Amino acid sequence: SQQGEEDPQALSIQEGENATMNCSYKTSINNLQWYRQNSGRGLVHLILIRSNEREKHSGRLRVTLDTSKKSSSLLITASRAADTASYFCATTMEYGNKLVFGAGTILRVKS
Amino acid sequence: GAGVSQSPRYKVAKRGQDVALRCDPISGHVSLFWYQQALGQGPEFLTYFQNEAQLDKSGLPSDRFFAERPEGSVSTLKIQRTQQEDSAVYLCASSIPLASPRGTQYFGPGTRLLVL
Repeated sequence: SQQGEEDPQALSIQEGENATMNCSYKTSINNLQWYRQNSGRGLVHLILIRSNEREKHSGRLRVTLDTSKKSSSLLITASRAADTASYFCATTMEYGNKLVFGAGTILRVKS
Repeated sequence: GAGVSQSPRYKVAKRGQDVALRCDPISGHVSLFWYQQALGQGPEFLTYFQNEAQLDKSGLPSDRFFAERPEGSVSTLKIQRTQQEDSAVYLCASSIPLASPRGTQYFGPGTRLLVL
């Protein structure tokens, strides 16, 4: 079964706007990661945040992690049409190596 | 260098047929994972290898599913007597287990299986 929920399930914005996606999970984690999946293609790793980190940046991406609330958010600034994809959060448990994914957010950026 | 490759990219099987899905991980990656992704859902873990050892097969949905990695490189996921509910995208990923932080996996493009 999947780790938790992501919201919104779908998000449609105009190019240049910011997009925020949220993820909740259920158990203690070692780290949380965000992946992007374009239609019909594999998953691409975007960013990883450790359980002892609260915020991380990579280019136009900003990830926050609140372990007390068991939640994370992904912010994409100045969105582009090429950002249109499904975005998944995935957690690695304290013990173990497998990834446990959420159900994903479908992002559509209109040009 | 080359990423994770999977073959075939698409497979149509008649119910009851056996299928074999292949994964070539990134060279030097000792960890290999299989995931199943149903339409509109996130991937779900099936099984994990470290070199040739299958360390976790807790996600395999039934004894019709079998995975192997005999030489610690290429892996094959076999599904026997396929059922319609097996229709999904099967994703393979590889990683370096001792890399810090733990967990970054590199995914292949997947095999889309349709069982009729």
